[in-house]
Amino acid sequence: QSALTQPPSASGSPGQSVTISCTGTSSDVGGYNYVSWYQQHPGKAPKLMIFEVSKRPSGVPDRFSGSKSGNTASLTVSGLQAEDEAHFYCSSYAGSNNWVFGGGTKLTVL
Amino acid sequence: EVQLVQSGAEVKKPGESLKISCKGYGNFFSTYWIAWVRQMPGKGLEWMGIIYPGDSDTRYSPSFQGQVTISADKSISTVYLQWSSLKASDTAMYYCARRLTEDAFDIWGQGTMVTVSS
Repeated sequence: QSALTQPPSASGSPGQSVTISCTGTSSDVGGYNYVSWYQQHPGKAPKLMIFEVSKRPSGVPDRFSGSKSGNTASLTVSGLQAEDEAHFYCSSYAGSNNWVFGGGTKLTVL
Repeated sequence: EVQLVQSGAEVKKPGESLKISCKGYGNFFSTYWIAWVRQMPGKGLEWMGIIYPGDSDTRYSPSFQGQVTISADKSISTVYLQWSSLKASDTAMYYCARRLTEDAFDIWGQGTMVTVSS
């Protein structure tokens, strides 16, 4: 299966909102409400930020929100803070115990 | 505390074999699927495969089927990722991660860096 498509970069100033898209197909993003988002700081393991399209794990600020329309999912970060600067990866269940990740988006806080 | 602890960095030559490990702490191991994820230098995440330590049911990404072997020993809460003949292109960071729900991998190991070079 092919990787999900994410923009390579996104940016915003502190306090602003930024949205990162994640485009797949009807076999993954569009076929299941099982899209998750991970934040990865340099040299660190990924951290789960959103699962099942829009649910936040305990401890993740409500500045992070997720949504989906058709074959495209989105992650919105509101009230940008310096510590939000990281790579973000989307992931989708693709059926039959298979998952696919996006190529990643580097979020820069200006 | 629930955590996954991976074995240390490895430096190998092409053609050599390797088995890296991921040990679970926190009394959850046999009841959750554990996945392996590859991250090549400067690149994104790639899902490799997943195992249920309770019965060793294993599924592989088509991209990694036949290239690696995933196994588990539930008696010591450990899953493994192994190669029979490494290639330079296997150089990467490898993470294990616990599958919480259908799509959520909530607990990640610290990563094992594998370097394959002659």
